[in-house]
Amino acid sequence: EDQVTQSPEALRLQEGESSSLNCSYTVSGLRGLFWYRQDPGKGPEFLFTLYSAGEEKEKERLKATLTKKESFLHITAPKPEDSATYLCAVPPIEEYGNKLVFGAGTILRVKS
Amino acid sequence: GAVVSQHPSRVICKSGTSVKIECRSLDFQATTMFWYRQFPKQSLMLMATSNEGSKATYEQGVEKDKFLINHASLTLSTLTVTSAHPEDSSFYICSAFPGQGYEQYFGPGTRLTVT
Repeated sequence: EDQVTQSPEALRLQEGESSSLNCSYTVSGLRGLFWYRQDPGKGPEFLFTLYSAGEEKEKERLKATLTKKESFLHITAPKPEDSATYLCAVPPIEEYGNKLVFGAGTILRVKS
Repeated sequence: GAVVSQHPSRVICKSGTSVKIECRSLDFQATTMFWYRQFPKQSLMLMATSNEGSKATYEQGVEKDKFLINHASLTLSTLTVTSAHPEDSSFYICSAFPGQGYEQYFGPGTRLTVT
C-alpha cells in the first residue's frame, strides 16, 4: 500500500492562476511531512516541514498546510519560475530512524 | 546553510568499469547519508542508508556488492558503481541528514551514462 500519494500527476497553470497540490498519507503517528521542489536534472530542494495537523508554513508564493490525512501545497499567483516537480515525503510507517518515503510528485508547469 | 555537494555532476564510462561518486556536506556534519536513484519522470528510489563509521544498510533489491558505499567521515560518503553496465545508467542523488528532525538535504545529483 502506497504510504504517500500525490495528485495531480501534472498541473498546467497560467501565470497568476492560483491552485493547490495534494499529498495524502497513510502513516499513523506522523513524524513529519516534508515538501521538496525538484528542477529537471537537479537534486530536490527542501521547502517545508509540517509536524502536526493545523500547522501552516509559507515561503514566497507557496503555503503548505497539514491535516490528519493530507497536506496541501497552495501556490498563489504562480510565476513561470515556479515550474518544477513538487515532492512530498514522510518517514515510513514500519521503521524508525530518519528514512523518508517519497510520493511520485506533481509536475507543475506555469505558462506566461 | 545545509549545502550538499556531489562530484562529478556527469560521468560517462564504459561497460565493465567502476565509477565513484562523492557526496559531501559542506557546512554541517551528517550523521547519516542516503543514496537515491531516479529514473526519468519517476520519483526517488532509496538505495541505501549509510552511517558514519558503520556498514551501509541497503534497501531490498539493491545489490550491495555492485553499489559499494563508504561513509568514512561525518562530511563525506562515496558510492562506487562496480562493473557498470548500461542498465546502471541513471541519475544518482545523495542526501545528508544533520542529526535533528527528519529533514534531508540533497546534493545536485550525478548523471551516470554507461556505454
